[in-house]
Amino acid sequence: DAGVTQSPTHLIKTRGQQVTLRCSPKSGHDTVSWYQQALGQGPQFIFQYYEEEERQRGNFPDRFSGHQFPNYSSELNVNALLLGDSALYLCASSRPSRTEAFFGQGTRLTVV
Amino acid sequence: DAKTTQPNSMESNEEEPVHLPCNHSTISGTDYIHWYRQLPSQGPEYVIHGLTSNVNNRMASLAIAEDRKSSTLILHRATLRDAAVYYCILNYPSGTYKYIFGTGTRLKVLA
Repeated sequence: DAGVTQSPTHLIKTRGQQVTLRCSPKSGHDTVSWYQQALGQGPQFIFQYYEEEERQRGNFPDRFSGHQFPNYSSELNVNALLLGDSALYLCASSRPSRTEAFFGQGTRLTVV
Repeated sequence: DAKTTQPNSMESNEEEPVHLPCNHSTISGTDYIHWYRQLPSQGPEYVIHGLTSNVNNRMASLAIAEDRKSSTLILHRATLRDAAVYYCILNYPSGTYKYIFGTGTRLKVLA
């Protein structure tokens, strides 16, 4: 079992550009959540996808959007990048029960 | 928005037990208490979770106060590989994995 895989691992973008990050959930998991982790801080919840729909959203602007595909994989899109969007973006997958979520290694995004 | 309070950092000697405290005075009756840890340059890793009763697994034990307003993660014998940031999280809203992370406790393990 490959666990949660994220791509790419590192990315450098310029202010104003758009970026797409990808996540493949752990086998058997149908729920994908995205988190942003700034340096020295705990992860912050961006949104969660289940059955190809956004189920919950944290306090992030509309520049952050996502998608979930029929195979449960997911994408996070960020438009009009700001310097402050530089962070580690984490994907977590889970399934409908009160058990643990599994996190990927993250994508390190640097906006210059 | 974090609903838990943890010390910023703790130290432990290798092979000694470690007790990591967490306060969650506003916990609701259906909130589960989850603990995750994050090793350097990795995503968070599940450690343990519980509702009311104390819980044990291969990684750690979770002791939950009778009033559920606090809990303690217990590592029975700390190793250098246990050096990480430990997060105590309430599963809010219950069962939907929208975790609200605080800043966690950075555990240093001394050889």
